[in-house]
Amino acid sequence: NAGVTQTPKFRILKIGQSMTLQCAQDMNHNYMYWYRQDPGMGLKLIYYSVGAGITDKGEVPNGYNVSRSTTEDFPLRLELAAPSQTSVYFCASSYSGNEQYFGPGTRLTVT
Amino acid sequence: AQSVAQPEDQVNVAEGNPLTVKCTYSVSGNPYLFWYVQYPNRGLQFLLKYITGDNLVKGSYGFEAEFNKSQTSFHLKKPSALVSDSALYFCAVKDYGNNRLAFGKGNQVVVIP
Repeated sequence: NAGVTQTPKFRILKIGQSMTLQCAQDMNHNYMYWYRQDPGMGLKLIYYSVGAGITDKGEVPNGYNVSRSTTEDFPLRLELAAPSQTSVYFCASSYSGNEQYFGPGTRLTVT
Repeated sequence: AQSVAQPEDQVNVAEGNPLTVKCTYSVSGNPYLFWYVQYPNRGLQFLLKYITGDNLVKGSYGFEAEFNKSQTSFHLKKPSALVSDSALYFCAVKDYGNNRLAFGKGNQVVVIP
């Protein structure tokens, strides 16, 4: 099993550009999550999904969108990048909604 | 609302000494508690969890944690720290029935050779 995979590993965006962060898992987990990690701030939940076709907002959803058309994939879309979205983004999945398994992260810089 | 407090920013410990990382939580119902570890430039790795049962939970890499309901704490412990335990440690909590975890801000652990 590859577990949770994320692409790209690094990306630099200009203000106003758009991009999609990809996340896939091969563990047949129903639950998937997107977090951002800022230094000294822990992890903040952006969006999550309890199954294909179902998504819900987390703590910090503004500026982001998600979709969940399959069990395996949970892409995160940034429409108009802003410097405040400079962060490290982690995708995670869970079988039961309890312990979560994380991908390696995407480091995004918006300048 | 559910929340976690990790009161120390950094924990320094000599190699071979006991390691403790503190965590207190707040939930409205019965807590589900978790510890994760993050090595530099990596994602978080699950260490252990408390759902129900024995208050002392054993996990990966020789770590354990003790659930204390009266003190609303879930401190992470290791009897003898290794230099390779140097990492960022996160405590997390959720209420029964909630699909979302609340993470603490993390504790940097530095094990000194």
